[in-house]
Amino acid sequence: DAGITQSPRHKVTETGTPVTLRCHQTENHRYMYWYRQDPGHGLRLIHYSYGVKDTDKGEVSDGYSVSRSKTEDFLLTLESATSSQTSVYFCAISGAGEGETQYFGPGTRLLVL
Amino acid sequence: AQSVTQLDSHVSVSEGTPVLLRCNYSSSYSPSLFWYVQHPNKGLQLLLKYTSAATLVKGINGFEAEFKKSETSFHLTKPSAHMSDAAEYFCVVRTTGNQFYFGTGTSLTVIP
Repeated sequence: DAGITQSPRHKVTETGTPVTLRCHQTENHRYMYWYRQDPGHGLRLIHYSYGVKDTDKGEVSDGYSVSRSKTEDFLLTLESATSSQTSVYFCAISGAGEGETQYFGPGTRLLVL
Repeated sequence: AQSVTQLDSHVSVSEGTPVLLRCNYSSSYSPSLFWYVQHPNKGLQLLLKYTSAATLVKGINGFEAEFKKSETSFHLTKPSAHMSDAAEYFCVVRTTGNQFYFGTGTSLTVIP
């Protein structure tokens, strides 16, 4: 398995509070991604990073921000959590070459009450 | 623009019978295509990938997929279903910008 960890693995929080999820990789891959998974929607891209301090928005980025200060760490912040952000969040990594595969972390279950 | 359509949200098969999970893609160039599997309450595992080499791609656990450019399809097959194949399956297309677009998934049920 690719060396990807996510923390926390489970979190319960209240509406309006900030939440930060962490993704850590030991593969030295250039690209890192945050997705959310909801029934009927598959995985939807929130934000991704193509290098240290280089990030871009995905299709569902509203209400989320990211930071990448080191190659190995990619943080996802919910600035003010809402119930619609209750979801399972997956981090993924990939290399930059043609045909590179994307590898996934174990996921974080977030419940916003 | 790139997109992926999984034509069936649910597929049920009997154990020992063939599996067919259908995927069509839309891409303005020759894409990289992937199938991932997700077992209940687990992460995503790569089954196989196509990257412009052989059009018939073999993956893990006896799964195969055939890239058909004329039909813009990348269907996943397995000759004989096993109970352990019950899971959610995702077809994914990768863009030149290193973004990955997921289909909405197909839930496979295997009936004993």
